[in-house]
Amino acid sequence: GENVEQHPSTLSVQEGDSAVIKCTYSDSASNYFPWYKQELGKRPQLIIDIRSNVGEKKDQRIAVTLNKTAKHFSLHITETQPEDSAVYFCAANGGNEKLTFGTGTRLTIIP
Amino acid sequence: SQTIHQWPATLVQPVGSPLSLECTVEGTSNPNLYWYRQAAGRGLQLLFYSVGIGQISSEVPQNLSASRPQDRQFILSSKKLLLSDSGFYLCAWSRIGGGTDTQYFGPGTRLTVL
Repeated sequence: GENVEQHPSTLSVQEGDSAVIKCTYSDSASNYFPWYKQELGKRPQLIIDIRSNVGEKKDQRIAVTLNKTAKHFSLHITETQPEDSAVYFCAANGGNEKLTFGTGTRLTIIP
Repeated sequence: SQTIHQWPATLVQPVGSPLSLECTVEGTSNPNLYWYRQAAGRGLQLLFYSVGIGQISSEVPQNLSASRPQDRQFILSSKKLLLSDSGFYLCAWSRIGGGTDTQYFGPGTRLTVL
């Protein structure tokens, strides 16, 4: 089955700087890669996703890049703000109806 | 628009007691349904998923079971809870087909087993 590794596990960034979180996956059949943001005590919320027919997708301050050859994808947050502080999870679908999640990155934005 | 509900929101149960958590989805038909567990400060562990009524796939052997008695209803059960069953239980849904559709999570049930 699919295996997803996520780094770093914690990340502290000065407000206004950029944050990058990286994930690698093992199953070459994976073709869907979502990113979720989870605030303390809340449900995970989708913030951006990418499918394997594109290499990059951007939504305002958030972007995701995908390298299928190397089997890795990354989340980029620019001009970080205090409300970006949360735990971020990447996931890959292994080419089927399930998602395998990374272990999460706790992002802290320092004012 | 689609809405996913879970109840109860919080639950405190003694070891050895039974469990029943319910999840329902509104505004869509034939969804894929999923149960996840999240231990405190940890990631998301897929427990069960269902692509149709009565069709349940188990991902992790344990003392939990799942059922889908109706198209948009998913139930997580246990006959005897263990301390290790404590956690945040999340139900999710997605559209059927292809595996490239977003999973949307419910508000979750926080279970404490004492």
